[in-house]
Amino acid sequence: DTGVSQNPRHKITKRGQNVTFRCDPISEHNRLYWYRQTLGQGPEFLTYFQNEAQLEKSRLLSDRFSAERPKGSFSTLEIQRTEQGDSAMYLCASSGDRGRRREKLFFGSGTQLSVL
Amino acid sequence: AQTVTQSQPEMSVQEAETVTLSCTYDTSESDYYLFWYKQPPSRQMILVIRQEAYKQQNATENRFSVNFQKAAKSFSLKISDSQLGDAAMYFCAYGRDRDDKIIFGKGTRLHILP
Repeated sequence: DTGVSQNPRHKITKRGQNVTFRCDPISEHNRLYWYRQTLGQGPEFLTYFQNEAQLEKSRLLSDRFSAERPKGSFSTLEIQRTEQGDSAMYLCASSGDRGRRREKLFFGSGTQLSVL
Repeated sequence: AQTVTQSQPEMSVQEAETVTLSCTYDTSESDYYLFWYKQPPSRQMILVIRQEAYKQQNATENRFSVNFQKAAKSFSLKISDSQLGDAAMYFCAYGRDRDDKIIFGKGTRLHILP
């Protein structure tokens, strides 16, 4: 069990640029979630996938945000035309039906985005 | 929609003492889970304790226990014999049984006073 991996750990970008983050879930997990967390706040749900299907999207996920999970394995979250308000920690988590354990969701260490 | 409310933005407790963090939630679903997560400065989310809604017995994990009042939709966390390593942000969270989606509260920052 190698855990949920997120890359990069940190990203600094200028306003108006596009950024893409990657999440590699635990290999046998069929569900993958994206959350956004600003400093001093709780994680806010953005979207989740079951296999390759995106089943739910939050209103927080504006048109500038897009998430994909091709082939139901890793996922990418892209933010186009970044704004300073996009600065946050982006957390990925995964879960699966087989071998379900206490944790339910397994979280990655997050990608910290700073928009200058 | 489900909501989770933590009314205490910050709390402090003397080392070795007991502290209780409050949480209320709202849902119309019958099958769900409740969680308390700890987030230290590293920002890694660490599961502290979990409670299945269908279980009447309160969950315990060593020094951590919960008071689950289903009718009142209340889910408080008690930390006994507080230790310096307990200092962190604590998030109460609601989890849907049908797809594991978790909704978090805004958190309570816990300070441990030596």
